Amino acid sequence: QLQLQESGPGLVKPSETLSLSCTVSGGSISSSSYYWGWIRQPPGKGLEWIGTMYYTGSTYYNPSLKSRVTISVDTSKNQFSLKLTSVTAADTAVYYCARLGQQLQDAFDIWGQGTMVTVSS
Amino acid sequence: DIQMTQSPSSLSASVGDRVTITCRASQSINNYLNWYQQKPGKAPKLLIYAASSLQSGVPSRFSGSGSGTDFTLTISSLQPEDFATYYCQQSYSTLLTFGGGTKVEIK
Repeated sequence: QLQLQESGPGLVKPSETLSLSCTVSGGSISSSSYYWGWIRQPPGKGLEWIGTMYYTGSTYYNPSLKSRVTISVDTSKNQFSLKLTSVTAADTAVYYCARLGQQLQDAFDIWGQGTMVTVSS
Repeated sequence: DIQMTQSPSSLSASVGDRVTITCRASQSINNYLNWYQQKPGKAPKLLIYAASSLQSGVPSRFSGSGSGTDFTLTISSLQPEDFATYYCQQSYSTLLTFGGGTKVEIK
């Protein structure tokens, strides 16, 4: 049974870079049937799509974050990662990684448990 | 970007009620519409994909309909475990967007 697990620092200073990883277990990140994505949720607010990537490295980013976001893949570790530069308090959120199934018309069918990241000095 | 607007933003209902949540897209998205349920402190859970297809393991009291710009999520008989926040999400564009959410509360 495929599982996703986010990892990374829970506290990041303003202007620094937020770095998170998502480890995929129970399946291969190199499957041609799936994309992989990051979604975040500020406290008490709704879901915001950050970006999506294919195992080949092609990526799609939220236009509002595009200048600061990089999503990359490490197939040898079965992981994909998120980097968000120049963070501010507005980037404080729970960050989720998720699998996007092409056979489900690009719905996020499996999610990690989420990791809270606070931006504060 | 394709904007997704959900209504209402919140509603109160009783166990056994029929509940309907609406999601409207700013342009036609055919049937590229997905619905999620989120409970406090938990990750969202996929309920419906492609506007009307029930995800495996989801109770049949959940159903989805619509095409183009207007979509509906219906819970035929609300159960205690259904009190949660529901989100729609379009996947017509590679630039994905979520609706603002609808919180279903106990009356």
